[in-house]
Order: sequence, then structure tokens, then C-alpha cells
Amino acid sequence: GAVVSQHPSWVICKSGTSVKIECRSLDFQATTMFWYRQFPKQSLMLMATSNEGSKATYEQGVEKDKFLINHASLTLSTLTVTSAHPEDSSFYICSARRVRDSLADTQYFGPGTRLTVL
Amino acid sequence: SQQGEEDPQALSIQEGENATMNCSYKTSINNLQWYRQNSGRGLVHLILIRSNEREKHSGRLRVTLDTSKKSSSLLITASRAADTASYFCATRGFQKLVFGTGTRLLVSP
Repeated sequence: GAVVSQHPSWVICKSGTSVKIECRSLDFQATTMFWYRQFPKQSLMLMATSNEGSKATYEQGVEKDKFLINHASLTLSTLTVTSAHPEDSSFYICSARRVRDSLADTQYFGPGTRLTVL
Repeated sequence: SQQGEEDPQALSIQEGENATMNCSYKTSINNLQWYRQNSGRGLVHLILIRSNEREKHSGRLRVTLDTSKKSSSLLITASRAADTASYFCATRGFQKLVFGTGTRLLVSP
């Protein structure tokens, strides 16, 4: 099966610092990766879509300078939360779509990263 | 917002009973998918139904899709305590997967 990992699974940081979250597709190549955030007991909200080798496309209301996304290879995307504030505390989930997959409509989700900003 | 809505928001049943969750969406779709999320964990893909399909089965799951009403339902038959989780519908438009508000299902032994 297709496996997506995220690292770290949880992180606590001080306000004002930056935090990097990695998303890796372990056994497949992903043309497109997606980043979502989820507040407690709420749904997933798409933050941005990243295609390998190109700039990410951000959803309306998501600050691209605050949430830096890099999709450097077909197996790795990173989300950096810059100058984190307590309101950035959330559950961040990445997702990947396979290259040349007959089930291209299926996205594979990582286990999520819980960020707490003190 | 493109986000779909699900109802009920929360559902509490006994083991062995059936659970039905409904999802309504706003825009044209290529397909609709259902996911499960255990508390504080990632998502598990359950089933995908394409816009030209009306019903699909997978084990104890039955999904229906009515594109004229822009709605879908997920039926879990003979529920188990292990089915306790949040369930989300997600619609695929051009490229993005947009999630509904979710239904929290509690199955009591």
C-alpha cells in the first residue's frame, strides 16, 4: 500500500520560532502534495497544494509568507511555520497523490503533526 | 466556502445497529470520497464513488450518491465499537479534495 509519513508527529515550540514539518511518500512518487490543518473537533481545511518543482498554490486566507511550502522532490514536501504564534497551534496533515496512478483520485494521508506553540 | 456539510454532527448508537451519515455539497464533482479519522490520528480512506455512479458497497459500508441533490450517504451496517471515529466526506473537483464538516460516531458495546 501507499504510505505517507510525517515528521515530527508532535512538536512544542516557543512563540516566535519557526517549525519545519516533513511529509514523505515512502513507497511511491507523488506529483502533488497537499497540506491541511485541523482544529480540534473540526474538519480539515486545505492550506495549499504543492507540485514537485514549482511554487505552491495557497488557498484564500492562507499566508504564504507564514506557511512556507517546499516540494523539492517527488517524495518530500516540507511545511515551515515561520514566527509561530499560539493561534498556529493545530493538527497539520499532509497528503500525497501518486504519479501515473490509475487510482489518481485517491490521496494518501500522513498521520499528522500536532503543533503546540507556547 | 466550498466545504460540504454533514449531518448529523454526532451520532451515538449501540453495537449491532446501523449508522447512517449524510453529506451535502455545493459544487460539481468528479467523485466523492469517505474517510475515517480516529481521535487525533490521520485519515483512512474508506470508499470512493464517482459522479456517474449511484451506489457502491465495500464490506459493511454502503455509499450512495445523488448528484441532482448534491448529496451522499454512508451506511455502516452491524456497527462495532471499533467503528467509533469521525467520518468525513470529501469531494473532488478540479484538483482539490474538499472535506465536509464531519460526523462523530460513537458505538457503545
